[in-house]
Amino acid sequence: QKEVEQDPGPLSVPEGAIVSLNCTYSNSAFQYFMWYRQYSRKGPELLMYTYSSGNKEDGRFTAQVDKSSKYISLFIRDSQPSDSATYLCAMKKDSNYQLIWGAGTKLIIKP
Amino acid sequence: DAGVIQSPRHEVTEMGQEVTLRCKPISGHDYLFWYRQTMMRGLELLIYFNNNVPIDDSGMPEDRFSAKMPNASFSTLKIQPSEPRDSAVYFCASSRPGTGEIFGPGTRLTVL
Repeated sequence: QKEVEQDPGPLSVPEGAIVSLNCTYSNSAFQYFMWYRQYSRKGPELLMYTYSSGNKEDGRFTAQVDKSSKYISLFIRDSQPSDSATYLCAMKKDSNYQLIWGAGTKLIIKP
Repeated sequence: DAGVIQSPRHEVTEMGQEVTLRCKPISGHDYLFWYRQTMMRGLELLIYFNNNVPIDDSGMPEDRFSAKMPNASFSTLKIQPSEPRDSAVYFCASSRPGTGEIFGPGTRLTVL
């Protein structure tokens, strides 16, 4: 079993919908949680960085961490075709440790 | 800040040749990471440095791969000799404690 599980998709939704992307993990020592967006033929771009449990909002994006369930989510409101990309979750135990990555979910927003 | 800079952006070489990839991290970032990404295996961490010192190279596939960081603003990843299965996109990323890793644009390597 992988340390971080993420459904590869693709997930296809109509423009304007609320998107929910999720990852589960097995190591309760993870403390730092990140979401990256990767467009085709580009490098991963850091979207959200959170520590421990709780919610964090940035514009149309909300990151949610539930450590009791070992479950993290990224919500995208008012989704746009430009949000179409692969979204990767990543996490680590300590700020000095390497990231452990999910496989990425391919998201398609239909106009 | 210009972000993480990688060169070359594209490299096409023949099997058996030496390949050198270069990276300039963001100023002030004391961690530097080298990743490889393929469709089959996804994103794989090859090696990372802290304050120019290699911390974990367990992801380096074999002795043909080597990485150096002679100073805080420059790192290289070398493959010698290269093989077709090394074809991938190689990313460099940097960070400092309390932040996520910031990725460069990548080097697309094709070994014929």
